[in-house]
Amino acid sequence: NAGVTQTPKFQVLKTGQSMTLQCAQDMNHEYMSWYRQDPGMGLRLIHYSVGAGITDQGEVPNGYNVSRSTTEDFPLRLLSAAPSQTSVYFCASSYSIEQETQYFGPGTRLLVL
Amino acid sequence: AQSVTQLGSHVSVSEGALVLLRCNYSSSVPPYLFWYVQYPNQGLQLLLKYTSAATLVKGINGFEAEFKKSETSFHLTKPSAHMSDAAEYFCAVSEGNSNYQLIWGAGTKLIIKP
Repeated sequence: NAGVTQTPKFQVLKTGQSMTLQCAQDMNHEYMSWYRQDPGMGLRLIHYSVGAGITDQGEVPNGYNVSRSTTEDFPLRLLSAAPSQTSVYFCASSYSIEQETQYFGPGTRLLVL
Repeated sequence: AQSVTQLGSHVSVSEGALVLLRCNYSSSVPPYLFWYVQYPNQGLQLLLKYTSAATLVKGINGFEAEFKKSETSFHLTKPSAHMSDAAEYFCAVSEGNSNYQLIWGAGTKLIIKP
């Protein structure tokens, strides 16, 4: 199993550009989520999904969109990048929504100029 | 509202010394509690979790944590630090039983001195 994979590893964007961060898991997990990690702060939940076709907002959803067309994939879209979105983004998955061990991808480091 | 406080953004210990990473939380109900570890340039991985069973929880790599309700604490310990323990450690708490309810601490970077 590859686990949770994320692409790209690093990206530089200009303000106003859009992009999609990819996340995939091969463990047949129902629950997937996106977090951002900023210095001196804990992880903050952006969006999550409890299965294909079902998504919901987390703590900091503004400026981000998600979709879940398959169990495996959960892409995160930045609609119009802003410097405040400079961060490290982690995708995570777990077997179910209940308090299960979450498996994290290696992260995407995003710099918005 | 629930919150998590990790005391010390950086903790430095000598190899072979006791590791103690502190986590205090506020919660109105018995919480679920987690410790995750992030090695350099990697994603987070679960060290251990407390889900209302035994108050002393053993995790991977020799780490353990004790749930103390009276002190609202869930400190992480390891008797003898190893160079490979150098990483960032995150405490997380949830009042509910869903992963989206997790509240994360800011993290503590553990530095091991040779």
